[in-house]
Amino acid sequence: EAQVTQNPRYLITVTGKKLTVTCSQNMNHEYMSWYRQDPGLGLRQIYYSMNVEVTDKGDVPEGYKVSRKEKRNFPLILESPSPNQTSLYFCASAIEYRNTQYFGPGTRLTVL
Amino acid sequence: GQQVMQIPQYQHVQEGEDFTTYCNSSTTLSNIQWYKQRPGGHPVFLIQLVKSGEVKKQKRLTFQFGEAKKNSSLHITATQTTDVGTYFCAGHGTNAGKSTFGDGTTLTVKP
Repeated sequence: EAQVTQNPRYLITVTGKKLTVTCSQNMNHEYMSWYRQDPGLGLRQIYYSMNVEVTDKGDVPEGYKVSRKEKRNFPLILESPSPNQTSLYFCASAIEYRNTQYFGPGTRLTVL
Repeated sequence: GQQVMQIPQYQHVQEGEDFTTYCNSSTTLSNIQWYKQRPGGHPVFLIQLVKSGEVKKQKRLTFQFGEAKKNSSLHITATQTTDVGTYFCAGHGTNAGKSTFGDGTTLTVKP
């Protein structure tokens, strides 16, 4: 089944404790992206990747890192999480950047 | 930078009434996509518009892309309870890879 998977789905952590949210797609898509969703603010793009080893900042990259060492995986790294990073995170992929984006199920992160 | 504004933020309708959400970009878009997110779910692609003035229909849903490629609308005729959710537009401009979403319009339908 073609899909985008994210792990974990839910995470409660404390300020400053490094964490990684994984994202994987099995559709051989070139483009992958991370978004955060906060009430009333829609989906805001954090980072995106046009292809392997190519990543770029979205609108809200501060406090986040990403890597794209393989086509299928695009992990989101929070080196030192803070409470303002409490949010619902979505990973998405597309054949190429202007095509249909397929979203993962989301990761709800709470930083205490 | 590119901004995409979407109105209204919320819309409550009686089942059978029509619904429209509007999307306006600060810059010319190369294309615009519409997504639907059910409560507790993830965004799901509905449609993509590319050409100036384009109109596409999916059953009771009508999508339009403005002549200047800076605005778009989604119209639902005779809403049903299955239409509830948040509708997002997403625009792609000249900055390859960047995807800007509107804040969404949350639709509730009273039976």
